[in-house]
Amino acid sequence: DVKVTQSSRYLVKRTGEKVFLECVQDMDHENMFWYRQDPGLGLRLIYFSYDVKMKEKGDIPEGYSVSREKKERFSLILESASTNQTSMYLCASTPAGTGDTGELFFGEGSRLTVL
Amino acid sequence: AQRVTQPEKLLSVFKGAPVELKCNYSYSGSPELFWYVQYSRQRLQLLLRHISRESIKGFTADLNKGETSFHLKKPFAQEEDSAMYYCASILIFQKLVFGTGTRLLVSP
Repeated sequence: DVKVTQSSRYLVKRTGEKVFLECVQDMDHENMFWYRQDPGLGLRLIYFSYDVKMKEKGDIPEGYSVSREKKERFSLILESASTNQTSMYLCASTPAGTGDTGELFFGEGSRLTVL
Repeated sequence: AQRVTQPEKLLSVFKGAPVELKCNYSYSGSPELFWYVQYSRQRLQLLLRHISRESIKGFTADLNKGETSFHLKKPFAQEEDSAMYYCASILIFQKLVFGTGTRLLVSP
């Protein structure tokens, strides 16, 4: 089974703190994604990556950055956390070269609360 | 911009009743559409894709290009179907755009 692991299930941070959300996948997938999930807004894409050291902005990249130093790891960084970044963050991965199958493999999510 | 719309935030039905979760899309080409499901305390996962024309857990979804819809249907709802359902469309290279989601609640 594909396993996408998000290191922190629950985090509580203060406004202005730097926050790291880590995601690791064990199936050698090329593509990795960060979404945030909010009630009434669904899933919105923050950043994605098709390869090591490669990143692309999604629909809501403001206030976020990412790092992909190794193929299996995709980190989401909040340089200075704000209360409007309180949300559930979902990491996902999928292999390249299989056509547009549409199947993303998701982690369990990281629920971030910014006070 | 490509968009997926789910007009209902909550759909509440009784066990055994038919279910239809609505999804409309805006896309000028040939869309690739999917339904994802998230059960309580579980990961978001793919339920079905329109290109496969499959039935999963009794659910089906037909692409209607005339109405630009991809509604999810099940003739007889079960309590274990209670979950959050997201309609999604693919852009390029596995990049998906999701709808706002519909929570299905099936009561006994």
